[in-house]
Amino acid sequence: DTEVTQTPKHLVMGMTNKKSLKCEQHMGHRAMYWYKQKAKKPPELMFVYSYEKLSINESVPSRFSPECPNSSLLNLHLHALQPEDSALYLCASSQVGQVTYGYTFGSGTRLTVV
Amino acid sequence: TQLLEQSPQFLSIQEGENLTVYCNSSSVFSSLQWYRQEPGEGPVLLVTVVTGGEVKKLKRLTFQFGDARKDSSLHITAAQPGDTGLYLCAGVRSNTGKLIFGQGTTLQVKP
Repeated sequence: DTEVTQTPKHLVMGMTNKKSLKCEQHMGHRAMYWYKQKAKKPPELMFVYSYEKLSINESVPSRFSPECPNSSLLNLHLHALQPEDSALYLCASSQVGQVTYGYTFGSGTRLTVV
Repeated sequence: TQLLEQSPQFLSIQEGENLTVYCNSSSVFSSLQWYRQEPGEGPVLLVTVVTGGEVKKLKRLTFQFGDARKDSSLHITAAQPGDTGLYLCAGVRSNTGKLIFGQGTTLQVKP
């Protein structure tokens, strides 16, 4: 299995809703990432997990809450989002300390906040 | 300040033409990666270059890493409509381990 699977593919939520994005990989990668991508812009790093522990938080607002329950799963919990948070949310994974081999990205969750 | 400057940002060419995309920085990177992204999908890794001066070929795509490991280029020979997409260079800073993306180059190849 050489894929990163993200669900759901599309999500529309209100500003008072609570929702979660899910990411799963079975490549044995112990580093997992959340990126946010606006239209026609490059992905922006949000969080990095290494060996299931949060190692980097790029000053992301607390309305985004990441969780890594085990080495294969990564969640992003969403609460009280704003319309400007609408974007493509990408999950990626890689070998720890071997980033030269590249990241494997999922297809993303297209999030719309109304 | 953009750490990785990618140029051009937009490119529209006819099928069969050649093109080069540049990725430049004032910082040294332990490696540079090139990704291609189609609308509604995640980026897909094309190549990683690690050694200064390295050249890698992937069919009609040629990737080069600068001698000082601060810049890279992607050259496409005889572009085809299937090459259309967003091309992203990305570098790993050795002191942080973070993967940082350039602004991207949107390529459109017209039949």
